[in-house]
Amino acid sequence: DSGVTQTPKHLITATGQRVTLRCSPRSGDLSVYWYQQSLDQGLQFLIQYYNGEERAKGNILERFSAQQFPDLHSELNLSSLELGDSALYFCASSVASDRRLYEQYFGPGTRLTVT
Amino acid sequence: AQSVTQLGSHVSVSEGALVLLRCNYSSSVPPYLFWYVQYPNQGLQLLLKYTTGATLVKGINGFEAEFKKSETSFHLTKPSAHMSDAAEYFCAVSDGDSSYKLIFGSGTRLLVRP
Repeated sequence: DSGVTQTPKHLITATGQRVTLRCSPRSGDLSVYWYQQSLDQGLQFLIQYYNGEERAKGNILERFSAQQFPDLHSELNLSSLELGDSALYFCASSVASDRRLYEQYFGPGTRLTVT
Repeated sequence: AQSVTQLGSHVSVSEGALVLLRCNYSSSVPPYLFWYVQYPNQGLQLLLKYTTGATLVKGINGFEAEFKKSETSFHLTKPSAHMSDAAEYFCAVSDGDSSYKLIFGSGTRLLVRP
């Protein structure tokens, strides 16, 4: 158990819909990363938040957005869903210190199926 | 831009045999390198990492990896495979910018034959 929690574990929805994925980082971790794992694209970085502020963006679609709240949990919002958005979405967290900044701990993921 | 190449999408070994999973990286700056393991229906677990210092890195479950700058490689090895090692393994690089985001290879599925 990494200490990172993600809900829900599975999500099935229809095209055109909007969903919200939730992530709670490990206690004390200020940084949250979102990654997408799909069969055709592999594991891709989407976006990172650090202490409530967006730090970096990867190949994240405009239909997707995220935020990190004062209690440090994060939500990834996916809208106007398409079949191709079906994937496993991972959240990872990291301690913000020189010694541990590079190590990310991953949650169990949310499997999104768009029908 | 940084990238990671994992040679072999599938590697099959016999139980007790040497495990060798290959990873080559491309980076214009000194990289930070990682190996993660993913068991079925689970998240990614960090096996080991290289940031600076000793180029031979030991990780959990008996795995180790050697950073070879001249070969731009970071291959993962284990002297003796166990059935429980069957999983997917991902090599990743961090470009060391302020985000420390991870760039992953395509993964190698390790099969262990009894």
